[in-house]
Amino acid sequence: GDSVTQMEGPVTLSEEAFLTINCTYTATGYPSLFWYVQYPGEGLQLLLKATKADDKGSNKGFEATYRKETTSFHLEKGSVQVSDSAVYFCALTKSGGSYIPTFGRGTSLIVHP
Amino acid sequence: GAVVSQHPSWVICKSGTSVKIECRSLDFQATTMFWYRQFPKQSLMLMATSNEGSKATYEQGVEKDKFLINHASLTLSTLTVTSAHPEDSSFYICSASGTSGNIGYNEQFFGPGTRLTVL
Repeated sequence: GDSVTQMEGPVTLSEEAFLTINCTYTATGYPSLFWYVQYPGEGLQLLLKATKADDKGSNKGFEATYRKETTSFHLEKGSVQVSDSAVYFCALTKSGGSYIPTFGRGTSLIVHP
Repeated sequence: GAVVSQHPSWVICKSGTSVKIECRSLDFQATTMFWYRQFPKQSLMLMATSNEGSKATYEQGVEKDKFLINHASLTLSTLTVTSAHPEDSSFYICSASGTSGNIGYNEQFFGPGTRLTVL
């Protein structure tokens, strides 16, 4: 079946450091790929998405490129802030269905001043 | 954008009581709504999928008599945790997909979650 694998956390960085959170997926066909962010005590918010190969999703300084050849959708940000501390979930959905996401386990990011 | 709200945001109840959580789509018609449960430091676990006007489809291992789901309109779904016990304490998140005008959403929009604590 479909699956999403994220790097283990927590990821701990100093403010203004470069961030990469790895995400790889296994799926048949052409899934859409998503990154969601969950701030402490809150629900999930869509951070960015990409619906086809080579698309780059971007938002709030974060970006991720849909790489079909490596089945990856790594999340990057050039300079993190303390306010970016949250849990980040990579997910995929398949077209033609009810768009139920398959989630990764989530990666906690902790940014220190 | 598509907005989903949940009410209440947190609730504390005594063991044996029932708790109802509401999930509303504010600016689109939610033809399908989903209920998730999230344990601390873990990912979301899909509990059930409900289509407006139909009975919910529960995931394996989820007790349908324990977690009653109603999706009576295109903007409202409710989850009732019946005879709650401490092990039901968790973070419950709903999401919805559907349409707004001529736009069909090919993704889910998530509510902010409800923290349930059963004493």
